[in-house]
Amino acid sequence: GQNIDQPTEMTATEGAIVQINCTYQTSGFNGLFWYQQHAGEAPTFLSYNVLDGLEEKGRFSSFLSRSKGYSYLLLKELQMKDSASYLCAVRDNDYKLSFGAGTTVTVRA
Amino acid sequence: DAGVTQSPTHLIKTRGQQVTLRCSPKSGHDTVSWYQQALGQGPQFIFQYYEEEERQRGNFPDRFSGHQFPNYSSELNVNALLLGDSALYLCASSLTGGRGELFFGEGSRLTVL
Repeated sequence: GQNIDQPTEMTATEGAIVQINCTYQTSGFNGLFWYQQHAGEAPTFLSYNVLDGLEEKGRFSSFLSRSKGYSYLLLKELQMKDSASYLCAVRDNDYKLSFGAGTTVTVRA
Repeated sequence: DAGVTQSPTHLIKTRGQQVTLRCSPKSGHDTVSWYQQALGQGPQFIFQYYEEEERQRGNFPDRFSGHQFPNYSSELNVNALLLGDSALYLCASSLTGGRGELFFGEGSRLTVL
């Protein structure tokens, strides 16, 4: 099975940087995903890592270390619209995607 | 290009009743996954359908069943509803192979009284 841990809540100021950590223990690994979910809405895809290293996409970056079972999502130049829940998800070798409980990020002016 | 569509968006049932939720995948996608999301929690995997067969199943009782049709659309059925089944039910579609990220519908909000 999968065990995915991430912090429950984080608060940051507009324009700042926030790093959301995710640790996982899995019975098989075939990629790690980050999703954003605004309150009352569906999750939307942010990033994908399958090899070790950093993937950058605009203000968002995601890092993966498979040997440590660790990933982080980095949000730069925070905007009010970035207030949302951020979900770490791990895919196993059978292509099943399991989610963590999510990290609620609150951006303050 | 329509994304993932789900119906109904909201519904209220009483304990013991049965419910059917429907999902149409994003155009070109062949795989449908269903998730249950309780308030303040991450989505929990129910099952996944590919080529009209259940390919994977999470830790949900047999009261939860599903189906995929030849046009790739899917249904989730829940029998003998319990109060604890109240949740947002999310359908996600993907294309087998490659990156295979999930595209989610807006969900069906089920309330069991």
